[in-house]
Amino acid sequence: AQSVSQHNHHVILSEAASLELGCNYSYGGTVNLFWYVQYPGQHLQLLLKYFSGDPLVKGIKGFEAEFIKSKFSFNLRKPSVQWSDTAEYFCAVNARAGSYQLTFGKGTKLSVIP
Amino acid sequence: EPEVTQTPSHQVTQMGQEVILRCVPISNHLYFYWYRQILGQKVEFLVSFYNNEISEKSEIFDDQFSVERPDGSNFTLKIRSTKLEDSAMYFCASTTGMGTPSFNEQFFGPGTRLTVL
Repeated sequence: AQSVSQHNHHVILSEAASLELGCNYSYGGTVNLFWYVQYPGQHLQLLLKYFSGDPLVKGIKGFEAEFIKSKFSFNLRKPSVQWSDTAEYFCAVNARAGSYQLTFGKGTKLSVIP
Repeated sequence: EPEVTQTPSHQVTQMGQEVILRCVPISNHLYFYWYRQILGQKVEFLVSFYNNEISEKSEIFDDQFSVERPDGSNFTLKIRSTKLEDSAMYFCASTTGMGTPSFNEQFFGPGTRLTVL
């Protein structure tokens, strides 16, 4: 069965600092990869996704993620965070072979200090 | 912007009671999902639903759970006899039917917090 690991439970950054959130998955087959964000009091929404092609994908609000197949990783990055990026970030994987379900990581809570 | 809605936002029930959680997916979407998140744990897949039948379910989705699309807009999750360990946030999601479903963004509702006493 596939699983997703997010190594950081809570990250605290000052505004303008750079962000990298780790995500590793365990699944030997082809996967689709997603990052979702949940702002305080709001529902989960998609930040970005990767299916194929360029392993560096760009999402909304200046976020990007890099798929490194050899490391089974899909880390999320942002060069300069803002206070409004305070949220919980979830990495999710979908195994392409006929399954629609998303397998989520435990989430990383990001707090940005003004 | 269209969105997935869920009612109620918070449901409190006694152990052993039946609960029905309601979701209204985005109107032109064809694939529907339920997930749950127990406090402090991961968001876990429960079930997916397409063309009026379950297309996939997890081990969590045992006989006490059922889903239904009773009309053209609602998608419900029923828990027949609730247990303390069913206390969780339940999320509904939906996906367009265009293209390959696994490639498509799942749009999530705000969740229903179920508390079983």
